Amino acid sequence: DAMVIQNPRYQVTQFGKPVTLSCSQTLNHNVMYWYQQKSSQAPKLLFHYYDKDFNNEADTPDNFQSRRPNTSFCFLDIRSPGLGDAAMYLCATSRATGGTDTQYFGPGTRLTVL
Amino acid sequence: GQNIDQPTEMTATEGAIVQINCTYQTSGFNGLFWYQQHAGEAPTFLSYNVLDGLEEKGRFSSFLSRSKGYSYLLLKELQMKDSASYLCAVLDSNYQLIWGAGTKLIIKP
Repeated sequence: DAMVIQNPRYQVTQFGKPVTLSCSQTLNHNVMYWYQQKSSQAPKLLFHYYDKDFNNEADTPDNFQSRRPNTSFCFLDIRSPGLGDAAMYLCATSRATGGTDTQYFGPGTRLTVL
Repeated sequence: GQNIDQPTEMTATEGAIVQINCTYQTSGFNGLFWYQQHAGEAPTFLSYNVLDGLEEKGRFSSFLSRSKGYSYLLLKELQMKDSASYLCAVLDSNYQLIWGAGTKLIIKP
């Protein structure tokens, strides 16, 4: 019954070693989001896709990239993780970006950078 | 700038009532969401308010006053499982979701 699935739930990587986090959804939603959330802080939007249209937040570092090969899947690539990138990464989906469309979140991937 | 303010932490007793406040200053307003987030888990949707007044959903109610830039989440008959962070988020004029840092609610027996 899981609607937004994230793998892995826990990821450990080494400083500078590329890592990919994955998200899939069974809701057939048009929009997929990636957020970074550090302890006791608000989720920070990194980017979102409306269908295949990619929207990058102005302050998202170039180190973070995303791919959406189809409606169901979206990937977050961190090219050279630094210690400051250790965080929970949340994927969310919504039907559309306007109006009152609720965002539904996956369980998150907790990234540790050694 | 855009700003969402919530208390950092609150403590309440099992069976009691607690009110979590949220004030906001955003460029435009298209509604306010409350999410619940248990430690180490993703936020889950609780409520959405776009008109002034109180919306009740079982033990949880959410209130909005647009003129005051203010909302609260009211939790009744508190249970231990309600221990979580509660995040307030506002949809601004660009339909961007602006998040508060969350209020950590601790429930004591």
